[in-house]
Amino acid sequence: DAGVTQSPTHLIKTRGQQVTLRCSPKSGHDTVSWYQQALGQGPQFIFQYYEEEERQRGNFPDRFSGHQFPNYSSELNVNALLLGDSALYLCASSALKETQYFGPGTRLLVL
Amino acid sequence: GEDVEQSLFLSVREGDSSVINCTYTDSSSTYLYWYKQEPGAGLQLLTYIFSNMDMKQDQRLTVLLNKKDKHLSLRIADTQTGDSAIYFCAENPNRDDKIIFGKGTRLHILP
Repeated sequence: DAGVTQSPTHLIKTRGQQVTLRCSPKSGHDTVSWYQQALGQGPQFIFQYYEEEERQRGNFPDRFSGHQFPNYSSELNVNALLLGDSALYLCASSALKETQYFGPGTRLLVL
Repeated sequence: GEDVEQSLFLSVREGDSSVINCTYTDSSSTYLYWYKQEPGAGLQLLTYIFSNMDMKQDQRLTVLLNKKDKHLSLRIADTQTGDSAIYFCAENPNRDDKIIFGKGTRLHILP
């Protein structure tokens, strides 16, 4: 059984561009959360999707948006990239009311 | 407010015990976690404890919770070189809610 998978593993973009990151949840999980981990920091919650709706949102600007598909996979989109968006983006999946499991992350570098 | 504090660095000799401490502020926290992150990797859930427990032991790992002082600790017995990593303390009110992380404690093993 595959765990949480994310793609791509690494990505380089320039300021002002847009990026889409993808996450496939662990089998049997229907809830996907996204976190941003800047260098030297702990992960910070961006938002969570359940039943294709945004269920919770952290303190991130509207440039950060997401989507969940009927197969429970999810995308994180970031528009108008800033240098400060460079980070490791982590996806976590869970079944409702159950423990979250993290994927390996996508490392985004904005130049 | 929500905040998790932990010391940034800890050096321990191989074979000794490591103790990593953490304090949190959210009194509604029900689940408290310890995650391990190795260089360039995602987050590995090491263990978690319910807020109605005082202690949890799992092989070399012992978690102690002082709910009155909102203090959590992780003890790693017989520390090995493979334990070298960043350890994150984290909490949330429900297992599928957003997780609040500390900044991480970098554990360095001395030969």
